[in-house]
Amino acid sequence: AQSVAQPEDQVNVAEGNPLTVKCTYSVSGNPYLFWYVQYPNRGLQFLLKYITGDNLVKGSYGFEAEFNKSQTSFHLKKPSALVSDSALYFCAVRDYDYKLSFGAGTTVTVRA
Amino acid sequence: EPEVTQTPSHQVTQMGQEVILRCVPISNHLYFYWYRQILGQKVEFLVSFYNNEISEKSEIFDDQFSVERPDGSNFTLKIRSTKLEDSAMYFCASRSGQRMNTEAFFGQGTRLTVV
Repeated sequence: AQSVAQPEDQVNVAEGNPLTVKCTYSVSGNPYLFWYVQYPNRGLQFLLKYITGDNLVKGSYGFEAEFNKSQTSFHLKKPSALVSDSALYFCAVRDYDYKLSFGAGTTVTVRA
Repeated sequence: EPEVTQTPSHQVTQMGQEVILRCVPISNHLYFYWYRQILGQKVEFLVSFYNNEISEKSEIFDDQFSVERPDGSNFTLKIRSTKLEDSAMYFCASRSGQRMNTEAFFGQGTRLTVV
């Protein structure tokens, strides 16, 4: 079965500093990986996806993610974090039937 | 921008009662999903739906659960006899399927509280 792991429950950064949210994956075959963000009392918003091609994927709100096959990782990054980036971030992997398996989530807090 | 909408945003029900959670997927989408998130836990897949039938369901999706697309726009999740452990945030999602590997778009969720 496909799965992802998010090793950090929480990430705290100062505004303006780089933000990294970690994700590792375990799949059979080619991985199809996604990042979603959940703001308080809101649904899941799509940020970006990796299907094939360039290892650096650019997404919404200035986020990007780096696919690393040798390390089986798909870390989410933002060069300069904003207070408004404070939210719950989920990594997900697509199964054969297009259903998503989510990680446990990482709470990001960006302090002013 | 088109979006998936869910109603109600919050539903409180008594144990043993039936509830219907409603979703309006994005209009040209073909694949539909229900997920749930118990408080403090990860988002879990419940069921996928395509061409008016269930494509796949998880072990969570037992006989108490059913899904329906009663008309061209709505996609509903019914829980026949709610249990306390059904309390969760339920997310509907849809996907176009026009290209391979399109992403799923999620609604804002319905928070179900069973008392």
